[in-house]
Amino acid sequence: SYVLTQPPSVSVAPGKTARITCGGNNIGSKSVHWYQQKPGQAPVLVIYYDSDRPSGIPERFSGSNSGNTATLTISRVEAGDEADYYCQVWDSSSDSWVFGGGTKLTVL
Amino acid sequence: EVQLVESGGGLVKPGGSLRLSCAASGFTFSSYSMNWVRQAPGKGLEWVSSISSSSSYIYYADSVKGRFTISRDNAKNSLYLQMNSLRAEDTAVYYCARGKGGQTSGYIDYWGQGTLVTVSS
Repeated sequence: SYVLTQPPSVSVAPGKTARITCGGNNIGSKSVHWYQQKPGQAPVLVIYYDSDRPSGIPERFSGSNSGNTATLTISRVEAGDEADYYCQVWDSSSDSWVFGGGTKLTVL
Repeated sequence: EVQLVESGGGLVKPGGSLRLSCAASGFTFSSYSMNWVRQAPGKGLEWVSSISSSSSYIYYADSVKGRFTISRDNAKNSLYLQMNSLRAEDTAVYYCARGKGGQTSGYIDYWGQGTLVTVSS
């Protein structure tokens, strides 16, 4: 089955840029979606179709996808961005949705 | 306002059964695919099952195939998950979630708050 690999943790200082990667075999050929989950809360969609932002999500959140890596970029990081982030794709070989293992973003 | 409210969680013994329900409101339920996603305590998200708007297409994760059954009642704006032969590793918060963009390239745009299922003797 298809595997999505995310770093367990990423740390960044306030005001800097955080980049969270999601690795998968030829992931650039798939549509990648990203979710933010804060403690005790349900996930929230922050990026869909690689780089589109839902209404209400700040422009500081952006996404890209090419080759074997998709990336969620958060510019001008704020304390409120501290959360777990998950990538998600559809795996046609197993007819299943796949989530990455998640990345905990810590704002120093 | 889109609302998804799960119910039916609780404590069940290994080998037992449980039926989760999700009441949807604030949108045309019959126009959207729906999903169940779970999260074990302290762990990441795991997709469980999806059902298309008219129930024509149904998908399951390998981990639950043959034990769980997803269904929906568009007249009642409700989604269900029948869980049989439960195991300790099924312990998780189960989220009801609305799908968007089709199954093979789609995503979840709304999530419920989840219901906790605990499988333990």
